[in-house]
This record gives sequence, structure tokens and C-alpha cells, in this order.
Amino acid sequence: AQRVTQPEKLLSVFKGAPVELKCNYSYSGSPELFWYVQYSRQRLQLLLRHISRESIKGFTADLNKGETSFHLKKPFAQEEDSAMYYCALSPIYNQGGKLIFGQGTELSVKP
Amino acid sequence: GAVVSQHPSRVICKSGTSVKIECRSLDFQATTMFWYRQFPKQSLMLMATSNEGSKATYEQGVEKDKFLINHASLTLSTLTVTSAHPEDSSFYICSATGTSYYEQYFGPGTRLTVT
Repeated sequence: AQRVTQPEKLLSVFKGAPVELKCNYSYSGSPELFWYVQYSRQRLQLLLRHISRESIKGFTADLNKGETSFHLKKPFAQEEDSAMYYCALSPIYNQGGKLIFGQGTELSVKP
Repeated sequence: GAVVSQHPSRVICKSGTSVKIECRSLDFQATTMFWYRQFPKQSLMLMATSNEGSKATYEQGVEKDKFLINHASLTLSTLTVTSAHPEDSSFYICSATGTSYYEQYFGPGTRLTVT
């Protein structure tokens, strides 16, 4: 079964602290993994994609196929990073872009 | 950037009536559109995938006769909730992909309340 698990509903850190949002997936093939972010009162938007291996707004995420994980990391959290973060999986065979979302983690960065 | 709009942003309807939600891609042609449902503080649940000119593909457990999807053009998809019940009250979100199949552009969502 295809599944994305984000074990933390809420993650609260202080400004300047490192942050790691966990994501584990279950999929028999080689999926594409994404992180989407939703800031307060805004729509969902793509943060980063594992294939591009970019750092966006200081965030990085590495796909670990052995651990079936795609954790999102940032060394120094900023208050503006406070948002809902969703990990998502797209089956590699599905070129139509279907996404399976995790439950989401609310990140709260305190001053 | 690619923009997706939804209309209405919120709607209240009486039990037993039908309500239509529109999803438009404003500045690109959407090869595929997706409809999601989101409960408070919960994840997005994919309801169906629609391609222009063809029948929508529904996810398991989603009643296709209750949630009618029409993708009439490359810029418009509609979701009609038929014979709405209070349990259909939810936040409905659409998204669309263009030439970059991997990136979905999301609409702002529609809050449906069935009384």
C-alpha cells in the first residue's frame, strides 16, 4: 500500500534552533517525494522535490531509500518558517502527477 | 507563476440540494486537475483525478455519483456535490498540473457547509 506518515502533528522550536520534520513512506517502487508548505491563510505550494536536490529557503531533504524516509531539515529556523508542512509521494509510474499526502506537521517557530 | 482559482470560496447549502464548485487555471492549460477533501487539522485526501475530455478517475471509497466531476476544458474543472448531507461539509481543494507534471498548483479551497 502507498502511504506517507508524518509522526509529528506539531513541532515547536525556538528561532535559530535546528528543525527536522520527519516523513516516512511506504511504496514498493521508486517514488518521487515532495514537501509542500501551507503558510497561514495561503494555499498549498511546492517547497521542494527530491529529484532536484535543491535547498529552498534553507530547507533540504534527502531521500533515504533504505529507511524509506524523506525528512525535511533546516539548520536555523526562522519565525517566518511557521506553517503546515506536508510530505507527499507520487508513484513513479504515474506521469499524471497523482500525490499521496502525509497528515501534515505544524511547525511553530517561537521568537 | 501558475495560478489556480476556485469559486465560490465558501458556500452554505441545505441538506438534499446540490452545489457546484469551479476550479480554473488562470494562466496555463491544465492537462490534469485533482480534487481533494481536507478535514480540519488533517491531511488532504485525494478524491479524484480528471483529464480534459475524459471521465474522472475516482479514488477508492469516493462515490462518483455523489461527487460529479466535469473537466470540460483545459482551464476548467467542476465538482458537483449532489444531494448534499451534513457529513459532506468539508474543505474542498483543487489542483492542476501543466507541462511540468510533477508540480501541482493548488487553489485556495472552498469551504462547504451543509445545514
